[in-house]
Amino acid sequence: QKEVEQNSGPLSVPEGAIASLNCTYSDRGSQSFFWYRQYSGKSPELIMSIYSNGDKEDGRFTAQLNKASQYVSLLIRDSQPSDSATYLCARTAYQLIWGAGTKLIIKP
Amino acid sequence: DVKVTQSSRYLVKRTGEKVFLECVQDMDHENMFWYRQDPGLGLRLIYFSYDVKMKEKGDIPEGYSVSREKKERFSLILESASTNQTSMYLCASSLEGRGAYGYTFGSGTRLTVV
Repeated sequence: QKEVEQNSGPLSVPEGAIASLNCTYSDRGSQSFFWYRQYSGKSPELIMSIYSNGDKEDGRFTAQLNKASQYVSLLIRDSQPSDSATYLCARTAYQLIWGAGTKLIIKP
Repeated sequence: DVKVTQSSRYLVKRTGEKVFLECVQDMDHENMFWYRQDPGLGLRLIYFSYDVKMKEKGDIPEGYSVSREKKERFSLILESASTNQTSMYLCASSLEGRGAYGYTFGSGTRLTVV
């Protein structure tokens, strides 16, 4: 069983809609969670981190963490074509443990 | 602005060559990592280092070695390059080893072995 699971997609969302990306994990002891965005051919860049249960908002991005259910989500409001990328979920362990990523496509 | 710099963006090498990939960070981070990324396989950890002259194997160390003689520099070495090592190589650094503050990545080196 993979330690961090993501649907590989692609997830296709119309421009202006809300994109919802999900990630589940297997270790209840995980403390910190991260969402990275990776454009094709580029390196991952950190967009959100979340440490406590509940929601954390940063501009158009909202990260949601539910430790009891062992999932973390990323919501992107008012999706733009520039949001088209692969989104990687990661959690802390001995090092960061990575999901394989979800490819998001925003259709104009 | 914090920075992780990888020396080459694209590299083409021949089978059997010894290849050096260099990574330098200017953030005074103690922790540095080398990953490779292939389509459908995600990020796979090759080696990491928590201190100067210290190294630990990651998930796929076979065919690779590393060197960390100075805190800011972490080198990945392909002792005898093979075509199955054609990949995107990503270096990262972090303030805290477990990743509590996330990792900062370099821009990556796309290596092709012919």
